[in-house]
Amino acid sequence: EAEVAQSPRYKITEKSQAVAFWCDPISGHATLYWYRQILGQGPELLVQFQDESVVDDSQLPKDRFSAERLKGVDSTLKIQPAELGDSAMYLCASSSADRGGTDTQYFGPGTRLTVL
Amino acid sequence: RKEVEQDPGPFNVPEGATVAFNCTYSNSASQSFFWYRQDCRKEPKLLMSVYSSGNEDGRFTAQLNRASQYISLLIRDSKLSDSATYLCVVNDSGGYNKLIFGAGTRLAVHP
Repeated sequence: EAEVAQSPRYKITEKSQAVAFWCDPISGHATLYWYRQILGQGPELLVQFQDESVVDDSQLPKDRFSAERLKGVDSTLKIQPAELGDSAMYLCASSSADRGGTDTQYFGPGTRLTVL
Repeated sequence: RKEVEQDPGPFNVPEGATVAFNCTYSNSASQSFFWYRQDCRKEPKLLMSVYSSGNEDGRFTAQLNRASQYISLLIRDSKLSDSATYLCVVNDSGGYNKLIFGAGTRLAVHP
């Protein structure tokens, strides 16, 4: 069964450092999502790509977070500089949905970030 | 007001019990609804979609009440393996398949 891949699985960093997370969606999935899940809360969408284009980044803290999906396949989420409040699980998901359609989102195993 | 609200629990039930979770959502234009299951320190996984007519998948039954903007999940004959957090999820009506998650309800099934 095809899966969404993410790396690293765990990351510990000090505040003010830069961190980057990588996601490889299920092959053929045009839509890719990055979510942040703080302990005790549900996942919250940070950014959504349709192919290589950003279609929703309304909840992305753009002063420190950036995301790219240059060839419309894998994606990188970066935080610079990291702050203590960024400690969370960062989940990547993909789906085959086009705009206006709905389809199941499949999640990767996540990257657990701890900022010291 | 949160867009999707759930009772956080925990619900502690014995094996074999029937347990029900409820969820309310604020956007009356929402069209698609789901329950996801999330095990401790794992990713969410789709448990089932929720349809207006109600739907059942084995021991799991989901119901939707659009008038009250209310979604429910019923688990019958609980198993130890059902212990997890159950996330109520609503598809935003904006057209980009955006999911809005509740904070989850934690279920612990004990022997």
